[in-house]
Amino acid sequence: QPVLTQSPSASASLGASVKLTCTLSSGHNNYAIAWHQQQPEKGPRYLMKVNRDGSHNKGDGIPDRFSGSSSGAERYLTISSLQSEDEAEYYCQTWGTGRVFGGGTKLTVL
Amino acid sequence: EVQLVESGGGLVQPGGSLRLSCAASGFTFSSYEMNWVRQAPGKGLEWVSYISTSGSTIYYADSVKGRFTISRDNAKNSLYLQMNSLRAEDTAVYYCAREMATSYSDYWGQGTLVTVSS
Repeated sequence: QPVLTQSPSASASLGASVKLTCTLSSGHNNYAIAWHQQQPEKGPRYLMKVNRDGSHNKGDGIPDRFSGSSSGAERYLTISSLQSEDEAEYYCQTWGTGRVFGGGTKLTVL
Repeated sequence: EVQLVESGGGLVQPGGSLRLSCAASGFTFSSYEMNWVRQAPGKGLEWVSYISTSGSTIYYADSVKGRFTISRDNAKNSLYLQMNSLRAEDTAVYYCAREMATSYSDYWGQGTLVTVSS
């Protein structure tokens, strides 16, 4: 079963870009992952799936400001033109026999 | 519009039982695998259980194995989680989530809070 590692926190200024990282454990760098956003006091929302080759497919209504990419065991979520509503917790997820979540990254928009 | 609405949460004493329900609408429920995911207060997401479309394949997290039972009724478009022998550490918001093609969750409910306390 893969393990996903995320930095606990990140910050960036309003209107800037930020790149969040999700790292797959050793031996699992061929796994795809999914990114989810959880705004304060709300349920999670699916953003996109990011494949090993960096291709990604977004959920319904997800703005073009959100994009995904990949390099080795790392899967990225890039948010451009940051808005205040992007301040949220971001989780990555992958799947094997069970389903696995990373610890989440709390994004602060300055 | 895909909708998932959880219910059945509440306050229960340690050792007690509770049954959660998730009512699905806006899609063909019988065609999708489903999961329960929970989130303890101030903590991250923790996967709890998975069920296949027919209910023939089920997985549980080690933390709930032997105590929780996932099930579904495709005729009623409903997902269930029977929780027995509840512990304080089971206190969390429980979400049901639709799964896309044996992979990731693509739609989530709003969650129902379970509090285990005396």
